[in-house]
Amino acid sequence: GAVVSQHPSWVICKSGTSVKIECRSLDFQATTMFWYRQFPKQSLMLMATSNEGSKATYEQGVEKDKFLINHASLTLSTLTVTSAHPEDSSFYICSARVRNYNEQFFGPGTRLTVL
Amino acid sequence: QKEVEQNSGPLSVPEGAIASLNCTYSDRGSQSFFWYRQYSGKSPELIMFIYSNGDKEDGRFTAQLNKASQYVSLLIRDSQPSDSATYLCAVDSGGYQKVTFGIGTKLQVIP
Repeated sequence: GAVVSQHPSWVICKSGTSVKIECRSLDFQATTMFWYRQFPKQSLMLMATSNEGSKATYEQGVEKDKFLINHASLTLSTLTVTSAHPEDSSFYICSARVRNYNEQFFGPGTRLTVL
Repeated sequence: QKEVEQNSGPLSVPEGAIASLNCTYSDRGSQSFFWYRQYSGKSPELIMFIYSNGDKEDGRFTAQLNKASQYVSLLIRDSQPSDSATYLCAVDSGGYQKVTFGIGTKLQVIP
């Protein structure tokens, strides 16, 4: 299957700082990437959908000014958590899909802890 | 609001038994259906997808789809302790839109 990587795999930061998470499709071109957040013992929550070269579409309740998404190329999308607070601590997972295919391929996730 | 419903479990089965995981969805126009497995602390991995009514088998896994009843299931034969995980049902309504995930069913296979 297709491989999606995320970096970093975990990050600890102080409250008020910004954190950037990268999502890369390693062996295919991803026309669409998705960003999810998962709190402990809860399901995946879609945050936003990102298409290459266009603005991300955010889900209701997700602050677009706080969670900045950039999808500059067909193999890279980034999520920046700005002015992170302890309540932003979560498991952030990206996924990618290729045009004409329905499957989403997930990255390994990034665990963010905000102190 | 498109919904995907799953029993959160846990579903406990003895090793070697058949585990049956169920999922219902609300959007009758849904076209693609996926089962993902998620181990604790890890991201989901795709197990199977199914598009047509009926059964689809892959090794110990069988996905079953009934569009009239808006129901999709996953059977795991000869369950192993390593199958213990949360199984997520996901539904795609077509047009390469976002996929809607269920809450997931936690499966515990007892040795």
